Amino acid sequence: GENVEQHPSTLSVQEGDSAVIKCTYSDSASNYFPWYKQELGKRPQLIIDIRSNVGEKKDQRIAVTLNKTAKHFSLHITETQPEDSAVYFCAASNPAEPGRRALTFGSGTRLQVQP
Amino acid sequence: DGGITQSPKYLFRKEGQNVTLSCEQNLNHDAMYWYRQDPGQGLRLIYYSQIVNDFQKGDIAEGYSVSREKKESFPLTVTSAQKNPTAFYLCASSGQSFYTQYFGPGTRLTVL
Repeated sequence: GENVEQHPSTLSVQEGDSAVIKCTYSDSASNYFPWYKQELGKRPQLIIDIRSNVGEKKDQRIAVTLNKTAKHFSLHITETQPEDSAVYFCAASNPAEPGRRALTFGSGTRLQVQP
Repeated sequence: DGGITQSPKYLFRKEGQNVTLSCEQNLNHDAMYWYRQDPGQGLRLIYYSQIVNDFQKGDIAEGYSVSREKKESFPLTVTSAQKNPTAFYLCASSGQSFYTQYFGPGTRLTVL
């Protein structure tokens, strides 16, 4: 089955700096890579996703890059703000294949943005 | 997200008891999922269902059971066979394309 590894487990940055979180996956058949943000005690919320037919996607201060050859993808947050503080999870799946539709999650990165 | 509800929000179970967690969605989604989250860890898949009356085991299905009799509902039963059930349980659903998964608010289960 799929295995997703996520680094770092914790990340502390100063407000205004950039933050980068990296994930690697093992199943070359995976082609959908979402990122979720989870605040303490709350449900995960999708913040951005990328499909394997593109190498980069941006949404305001958030961007995701994908390297299919190396089987890794990264989340980039620019101009960080205190409200970006949360736990971020990467995940992988292949929605087109019935046996691979469920997401496999990384172990999470706790991001702290210091004011 | 507002279309997925879970109840109860908090649940306390005595050892040896079975308990059932509710998950309902009004998004007309075909697929529904159950995940378990332990403190400081990621989400692990318990069971998922892609269509009514069909479901598949995930990575940690032992000690759990599910049913999918209606499209809108996917209840999870935590049986006494689950030795360490204290965790945060999250239900999710996705539409016909099986891409974006939307999560419910979760149920926090504690074994006394």
